[in-house]
Amino acid sequence: AQRVTQPEKLLSVFKGAPVELKCNYSYSGSPELFWYVQYSRQRLQLLLRHISRESIKGFTADLNKGETSFHLKKPFAQEEDSAMYYCALAGGTSYGKLTFGQGTILTVHP
Amino acid sequence: ETGVTQSPTHLIKTRGQQVTLRCSSQSGHNTVSWYQQALGQGPQFIFQYYREEENGRGNFPPRFSGLQFPNYSSELNVNALELDDSALYLCASSPARSITDTQYFGPGTRLTVL
Repeated sequence: AQRVTQPEKLLSVFKGAPVELKCNYSYSGSPELFWYVQYSRQRLQLLLRHISRESIKGFTADLNKGETSFHLKKPFAQEEDSAMYYCALAGGTSYGKLTFGQGTILTVHP
Repeated sequence: ETGVTQSPTHLIKTRGQQVTLRCSSQSGHNTVSWYQQALGQGPQFIFQYYREEENGRGNFPPRFSGLQFPNYSSELNVNALELDDSALYLCASSPARSITDTQYFGPGTRLTVL
């Protein structure tokens, strides 16, 4: 069974501080991991995905298969980063079925 | 290129009724997935359609059913509504059915069951 755990429901940091949103997963095969973000009054949208190995809006995420984690990091948080962040997993023959975590609300204070 | 749209925005039904939610995928996207998002939870996969055939189903009872049409529109039907069906329903489209595909989400339909 696939499972995604985001242990922090709420995360608050000050502008300019580093931020790390934690994500742990449970899956027996080789998963594809994603971070989706939902800004205020906007729809859910892709932030970044493991397979692309890219940095989006200063965010990066590294897949650690040993620790089954895919934490999202940014060295210097900005106020516009305040949003709901979801970690999601797709794997095997699921044909794109996404299993989401419960989400983390990130608030960046000025 | 237009984004994914959903209708209606909000809907109120009573227990035992039936409801149909609609989604219009991005042009050229052959796959549509439906998710249920209860308050304070992440989206939960209901089912996926690829080229008008069901292509995978989550842990939802048969009273949740769907259709996908050749014009990139789709429907989610829920029969015998229960109070716990109150949630935000999201559809998401993607070009194919690869696990690496980005899914493009609609704004959702908020269903309230009284």
